[in-house]
Amino acid sequence: NAGVMQNPRHLVRRRGQEARLRCSPMKGHSHVYWYRQLPEEGLKFMVYLQKENIIDESGMPKERFSAEFPKEGPSILRIQQVVRGDSAAYFCASSPGLAGDTQYFGPGTRLTVL
Amino acid sequence: QQQVKQSPQSLIVQKGGISIINCAYENTAFDYFPWYQQFPGKGPALLIAIRPDVSEKKEGRFTISFNKSAKQFSLHIMDSQPGDSATYFCAASMGKKLTFGTGTRLTIIP
Repeated sequence: NAGVMQNPRHLVRRRGQEARLRCSPMKGHSHVYWYRQLPEEGLKFMVYLQKENIIDESGMPKERFSAEFPKEGPSILRIQQVVRGDSAAYFCASSPGLAGDTQYFGPGTRLTVL
Repeated sequence: QQQVKQSPQSLIVQKGGISIINCAYENTAFDYFPWYQQFPGKGPALLIAIRPDVSEKKEGRFTISFNKSAKQFSLHIMDSQPGDSATYFCAASMGKKLTFGTGTRLTIIP
């Protein structure tokens, strides 16, 4: 059973460009979470999605960031007009959707904004 | 408050020794407390987790001690090995959102 997959693993963008990060959850998992990790810091929650629904986006910046988890295909975290402060590791996690279940993390996408 | 405070920031332990990492939380509504291990360039991997109705949980060399009244929990790694060298994060959740501590960089020396 493949784990959570994220791509690309590394992404370089210039200021003002768009960054699109993809996450394929573990097989059978219907819940996806996105976290951001700045250098030397812990992970910060961004958004929690189920198929076709955003459940909790309380950690998402109000502007430039959006997330989706369509009925078919991976979850996408989209950052428009990137700035240097967006440089970080972005981790996706998934869970089966049961109450209190474990979140399994992917390897992350390391975004560098030049 | 949603904060989880973790200490120490870094820890050096001799091989065979006990590594202890502490966390404290503020929100009494938290009901799930996992510990994650992260190696450089990798995603966090669940190590062990506990719920507040239990004061201790042991899995192999890893033990969580939980003090509900003090709102503190700790990770103990017995017989620490060089392969345990990694960054460890405590976390707490209420529902689905994990709130992480700032991490402890553990180094096991021969």
